[in-house]
Amino acid sequence: DQQVKQNSPSLSVQEGRISILNCDYTNSMFDYFLWYKKYPAEGPTFLISISSIKDKNEDGRFTVFLNKSAKHLSLHIVPSQPGDSAVYFCAANRAGGGADGLTFGKGTHLIIQP
Amino acid sequence: EPEVTQTPSHQVTQMGQEVILRCVPISNHLYFYWYRQILGQKVEFLVSFYNNEISEKSEIFDDQFSVERPDGSNFTLKIRSTKLEDSAMYFCASSEALGHYGTQYFGPGTRLLVL
Repeated sequence: DQQVKQNSPSLSVQEGRISILNCDYTNSMFDYFLWYKKYPAEGPTFLISISSIKDKNEDGRFTVFLNKSAKHLSLHIVPSQPGDSAVYFCAANRAGGGADGLTFGKGTHLIIQP
Repeated sequence: EPEVTQTPSHQVTQMGQEVILRCVPISNHLYFYWYRQILGQKVEFLVSFYNNEISEKSEIFDDQFSVERPDGSNFTLKIRSTKLEDSAMYFCASSEALGHYGTQYFGPGTRLLVL
């Protein structure tokens, strides 16, 4: 039951270029979306989030786009840096938040090549 | 910057033994969570906790699991009788509020190995 899907297990991008990570969801009750970054042997680190009332949120090099009709979101990293190499998880929470936990995707391993 | 801390970082136990995983959430946060990640799989929600009681729990959180906030700072996950399939990374998280009013911040995790 994959309510949050990240279909690319890995992505390789050259340093300085744009990294685009994609995420699809199936549960129409989700209304809050987050991206986390994870290094090996560490916990997920919060990067950026977006509420369903918006279609874009930007924070420095990171921008998240939300297309509600397509149930799709993407994370853009510009420019990509070597320290961005990590696993990126898309996560979602349902309407009103509740105390439900986040539903995570399986992650995309981003590799930034020099 | 405030952070969630977890102890121990690694725990090895024999099947059938009880384990307690400990977490210190961010001090002004009110909502606490446990997640787990089995090797090669995605991060899965176990339980949320607010005002000294469980708010929500997933199907994974069965009777062998329990959570407690024994004092003003610690938040614990107890597994009563561990099974081989409990081997995983266990992450604690906390948030100031719910949903888009409160981002969940994660600790570094405890790697549990059940032999």
